[in-house]
Amino acid sequence: EAQVTQNPRYLITVTGKKLTVTCSQNMNHEYMSWYRQDPGLGLRQIYYSMNVEVTDKGDVPEGYKVSRKEKRNFPLILESPSPNQTSLYFCASSLSILDRGYEQYFGPGTRLTVT
Amino acid sequence: LAKTTQPISMDSYEGQEVNITCSHNNIATNDYITWYQQFPSQGPRFIIQGYKTKVTNEVASLFIPADRKSSTLSLPRVSLSDTAVYYCLVGDTNNAGNMLTFGGGTRLMVKP
Repeated sequence: EAQVTQNPRYLITVTGKKLTVTCSQNMNHEYMSWYRQDPGLGLRQIYYSMNVEVTDKGDVPEGYKVSRKEKRNFPLILESPSPNQTSLYFCASSLSILDRGYEQYFGPGTRLTVT
Repeated sequence: LAKTTQPISMDSYEGQEVNITCSHNNIATNDYITWYQQFPSQGPRFIIQGYKTKVTNEVASLFIPADRKSSTLSLPRVSLSDTAVYYCLVGDTNNAGNMLTFGGGTRLMVKP
């Protein structure tokens, strides 16, 4: 089954404790992206990756890191989480946005709480 | 920065046609317009996409005027299960990147 998976689905952590949210897709998609969703602010793009070893900042990259060492995986890293990073996070993938438009497949989401 | 504007909410009744408009005045020449549906606690789901004129699929139609500064998602004969948030998405390729910018979303409530 074609899908985007994220782990963990729920996470409660404390300020400053490094964490990684994993994202994996099995569709051989080139484009992958992370979004955060907050009440009243909609979906905001954090980072995206056009292909392996190619990553770029989105709208709200501060406090986050990503890597794309393999085509299927795109982990989101919070080196020193803070309470303002409490949010619902979505990973998404797309075949290619250059000539195929923006049809993205989204993961189920990771609800992160930083205390 | 490409920006989209949508109505915050809309109400409708079962069986009616619903039209949701998105404004994207700064859309770049090569950008697509894409619409998503999102239910609570789920990731957004792709509905329809277009570049210009009209696109129709089994669930919706998308109308894009010649100037492409807006687009209208049309949902024919909505049902209670269409109650969701609908997002308009355009690219941001004007900024020499490939960032994608979602609108704030339109919360559609379908009543019996």
